Amino acid sequence: GQQVMQIPQYQHVQEGEDFTTYCNSSTTLSNIQWYKQRPGGHPVFLIQLVKSGEVKKQKRLTFQFGEAKKNSSLHITATQTTDVGTYFCAGPYSGGYQKVTFGTGTKLQVIP
Amino acid sequence: DGGITQSPKYLFRKEGQNVTLSCEQNLNHDAMYWYRQDPGQGLRLIYYSQIVNDFQKGDIAEGYSVSREKKESFPLTVTSAQKNPTAFYLCASWGGGANVLTFGAGSRLTVL
Repeated sequence: GQQVMQIPQYQHVQEGEDFTTYCNSSTTLSNIQWYKQRPGGHPVFLIQLVKSGEVKKQKRLTFQFGEAKKNSSLHITATQTTDVGTYFCAGPYSGGYQKVTFGTGTKLQVIP
Repeated sequence: DGGITQSPKYLFRKEGQNVTLSCEQNLNHDAMYWYRQDPGQGLRLIYYSQIVNDFQKGDIAEGYSVSREKKESFPLTVTSAQKNPTAFYLCASWGGGANVLTFGAGSRLTVL
């Protein structure tokens, strides 16, 4: 079955440092979505990438979708304590929108 | 406000008992999903449903059952066959113009 892996599993950074998480799928994705889950909360949608090679920015966050549509990355510039949480990538199979599989997640801790 | 309501928020169960978690949405979304999250872990798909009266097993369906008699409702039953049911259960729906997952606040099940 489809597997979506993320690295690293955990990341501790000093406030102001940059952070990157990488997402790799075993199958081609029709699109990739990123979600953030704050401690004790539920995942909240951040962004969706659809096109091969697409890059999108949201303030200090930069998202990329790989050329083969099997990998993606999220980069945060100059982290803040509000960035704390677990970041997940997720995507449906290329053939349809039925099964949405989540990556293993990267837990970010920001040290003030 | 449109959204997803999960209940109960916290639930304690004795071993050998079945328990049903409720999930209701008023977003008019066609597809609904159940995920399981263990401490420090990612989201694993239990069951999903594209339309009323139809549902598919996810990656960890053993010991769980669902029904989809109404578009708005997708209850999950954790049966006594589930060997390690203590976890955080998240319900989500997929649809609307953006085609992203919207999550409920989750139900935390503890087996005593």
